[in-house]
Amino acid sequence: ETGVTQTPRHLVMGMTNKKSLKCEQHLGHNAMYWYKQSAKKPLELMFVYSLEERVENNSVPSRFSPECPNSSHLFLHLHTLQPEDSALYLCASSHAGTSNEQFFGPGTRLTVL
Amino acid sequence: AQRVTQPEKLLSVFKGAPVELKCNYSYSGSPELFWYVQYSRQRLQLLLRHISRESIKGFTADLNKGETSFHLKKPFAQEEDSAMYYCALTRGYQKVTFGTGTKLQVIP
Repeated sequence: ETGVTQTPRHLVMGMTNKKSLKCEQHLGHNAMYWYKQSAKKPLELMFVYSLEERVENNSVPSRFSPECPNSSHLFLHLHTLQPEDSALYLCASSHAGTSNEQFFGPGTRLTVL
Repeated sequence: AQRVTQPEKLLSVFKGAPVELKCNYSYSGSPELFWYVQYSRQRLQLLLRHISRESIKGFTADLNKGETSFHLKKPFAQEEDSAMYYCALTRGYQKVTFGTGTKLQVIP
């Protein structure tokens, strides 16, 4: 599959569970992003990864932990989440240094019970 | 801090009427501004960016640094334009700020 893919597309988890979201891009980009999209709120940038560095949004709780093993894969590890973390989590990629256009995945709809 | 404001949550227009989706930003440097669109059941995708100064699907957007605005315009709305529209500001690849979005509803 081309573009940006995300798995799973839907996830329901309890507050004590540990789960991971996966993102993969096949565009040859060198920067990847995690966004949170909640109802009635703007898209919130959570994390940015490039080959050189990771940039964090300091307001992201530590129960969200990103991992970027290579330029094509990005994970978001989740543990002890709260119901207010229920949202659509979007992954995106771009070619940092050339174009800041974001290419988005379809998202993972997360529900925390 | 950079900020993007889209004052309208919903904009309803009749088919064939002009459309203007408002976007105002606050940023002291030279911004890079984008409009993204999300059609029903599709992923968020780029519509246009200010540096290219192009027209996509009949839409244009002009950066007005004096008014710190980047409004999206189309002279004649079509039904297929109905979607969510997001204005975004970037500062390099690391700093990305999106507005809250405007839902455009084109009435047949």
